[in-house]
Amino acid sequence: AQSVTQLGSHVSVSEGALVLLRCNYSSSVPPYLFWYVQYPNQGLQLLLKYTTGATLVKGINGFEAEFKKSETSFHLTKPSAHMSDAAEYFCAVSAPTGNQFYFGTGTSLTVIP
Amino acid sequence: KAGVTQTPRYLIKTRGQQVTLSCSPISGHRSVSWYQQTPGQGLQFLFEYFSETQRNKGNFPGRFSGRQFSNSRSEMNVSTLELGDSALYLCASSGPGTNTEAFFGQGTRLTVV
Repeated sequence: AQSVTQLGSHVSVSEGALVLLRCNYSSSVPPYLFWYVQYPNQGLQLLLKYTTGATLVKGINGFEAEFKKSETSFHLTKPSAHMSDAAEYFCAVSAPTGNQFYFGTGTSLTVIP
Repeated sequence: KAGVTQTPRYLIKTRGQQVTLSCSPISGHRSVSWYQQTPGQGLQFLFEYFSETQRNKGNFPGRFSGRQFSNSRSEMNVSTLELGDSALYLCASSGPGTNTEAFFGQGTRLTVV
């Protein structure tokens, strides 16, 4: 079975500070992992994904995530927060077959000027 | 390349009615998935269609159904609406293969009164 747990439903950071959003996964098979961002009343936009290969994945808007199998984690980071980063962030793992995603409960990021 | 298009964007229905939501995937994508998003339950998988066949199904009652047409467009139907069906319904399309990234539409906001 696949699932993800996002630690912290709300995270606040100052503009220019490090952003760290936590995600731990559970998967019975090698996981495919994703981070999505959602702005109010919008759909989800893919930030980055891990399938196989390099464990440090770079995404759009300066975000990156590192796949750590030993810790079953896939935390999202950004060195310097920008006001436009304020949004809801979702970690997801996909099922072994098909295109079914299991999403975490989301982390709302607030950026303080 | 046009994105995923969902219609309508907003819908208000009365308890007991039925509703049909539409999703047009990205050209060339044959996999269409549907998700329900609510503040309490987060993002929950409804079902996935691939080449007009339901490939995966989530844990929702039979009142929720879907179909996919030969041009990959998909519809989702909810019969005998309940207040708890109020949600943002998101459609996602994926390209060839499995475990591929999902591209989401902006969603249909359904309010049941």
